[in-house]
Amino acid sequence: TQLLEQSPQFLSIQEGENLTVYCNSSSVFSSLQWYRQEPGEGPVLLVTVVTGGEVKKLKRLTFQFGDARKDSSLHITAAQPGDTGLYLCAGQETSGSRLTFGEGTQLTVNP
Amino acid sequence: KAGVTQTPRYLIKTRGQQVTLSCSPISGHRSVSWYQQTPGQGLQFLFEYFSETQRNKGNFPGRFSGRQFSNSRSEMNVSTLELGDSALYLCASSFTSAGEQYFGPGTRLTVT
Repeated sequence: TQLLEQSPQFLSIQEGENLTVYCNSSSVFSSLQWYRQEPGEGPVLLVTVVTGGEVKKLKRLTFQFGDARKDSSLHITAAQPGDTGLYLCAGQETSGSRLTFGEGTQLTVNP
Repeated sequence: KAGVTQTPRYLIKTRGQQVTLSCSPISGHRSVSWYQQTPGQGLQFLFEYFSETQRNKGNFPGRFSGRQFSNSRSEMNVSTLELGDSALYLCASSFTSAGEQYFGPGTRLTVT
């Protein structure tokens, strides 16, 4: 069974601060997806990283896929209250559709 | 393009009953996956259907079953409900089995 460890589980910061969320596994994934989820709603896809060493930017969010395709990070610059939410990383198996999710990082950005 | 829709959004059932949840994927998507989300276990994969065939199955008891219709709409059924089945059930669709998955809003099931 492939597992993804996500850290930290909880993060409470002030507006304007930077933060990094980590997603680590001992398994190789064909791709890794990052989602953000609001209470009572489904996860919303932010980005998919496929190639080892890949870096993708989405405004103030920077996503990186490890060279060995086993780990990933999400860095947010100058966090804003609107960034508050549950951030989830999910690895896609090489054999198909199954997504293995990390436990999630609950981010709170205080004004 | 409309997103993934799930019905109903909220459901309250009693132990021992059964329940059917419905999912309509994004137009053109042929793969539908189901996940269970609970505070203790997080998001766990239930199963995936592609072109009306179950392609992949997670580690859940046989009380959890599903099917997919020719228009790619999918249903999930849980029989003999237990208190521990209370969860947010999420459906995700993708163009292919290995494609990016887009989630619906979920069905919140409460078993009393």
